[in-house]
Amino acid sequence: DVKVTQSSRYLVKRTGEKVFLECVQDMDHENMFWYRQDPGLGLRLIYFSYDVKMKEKGDIPEGYSVSREKKERFSLILESASTNQTSMYLCASRVPTTNEKLFFGSGTQLSVL
Amino acid sequence: QQQVKQSPQSLIVQKGGIPIINCAYENTAFDYFPWYQQFPGKGPALLIAIRPDVSEKKEGRFTISFNKSAKQFSLHIMDSQPGDSATYFCAASLIQGAQKLVFGQGTRLTINP
Repeated sequence: DVKVTQSSRYLVKRTGEKVFLECVQDMDHENMFWYRQDPGLGLRLIYFSYDVKMKEKGDIPEGYSVSREKKERFSLILESASTNQTSMYLCASRVPTTNEKLFFGSGTQLSVL
Repeated sequence: QQQVKQSPQSLIVQKGGIPIINCAYENTAFDYFPWYQQFPGKGPALLIAIRPDVSEKKEGRFTISFNKSAKQFSLHIMDSQPGDSATYFCAASLIQGAQKLVFGQGTRLTINP
């Protein structure tokens, strides 16, 4: 089974801190995604990556950046955390030959105080 | 044009009942409509998906009904069980190319014993 692992289940950070959220997948998937989940808003795409060193903005990229130096790892960076970035962050990966199935990690609940 | 609207936001059903969750989309080019199921503390997982060349797809107790002319699709859960209690997300995308999924707002379903 595909495993998508997010490094932290819970994180508490202070306003203005630089925050790194890490995601690793073990199935050699080219495509990786970062979503943000908020009640009543569903899942919103922050950034995605087609392949190593390739990235593209999603629907809500403001205040975020990403890094994909190795195929298995996709990092989400909050350059200067703000309270409105308190949320559940979900990483996902997918085989690019079919758009059918996203494999999600268990999520990181980030609180910015 | 990229939105997917999901209702209701929450739903409580007695065991054995048939919860129905509805979604509507705007982009007529969408040709792939999955449903994801998310249990507390876990990431979403693909439950069932449909393409617009059929009006219904059934997998076990889960059925998707699709109405192309109305641009609507819905999830029905037959003989619902307390173990079906979860958050459900509909989504839509284009199947060809590395297209991103657009998710609905989510429905928190509770099945009472």
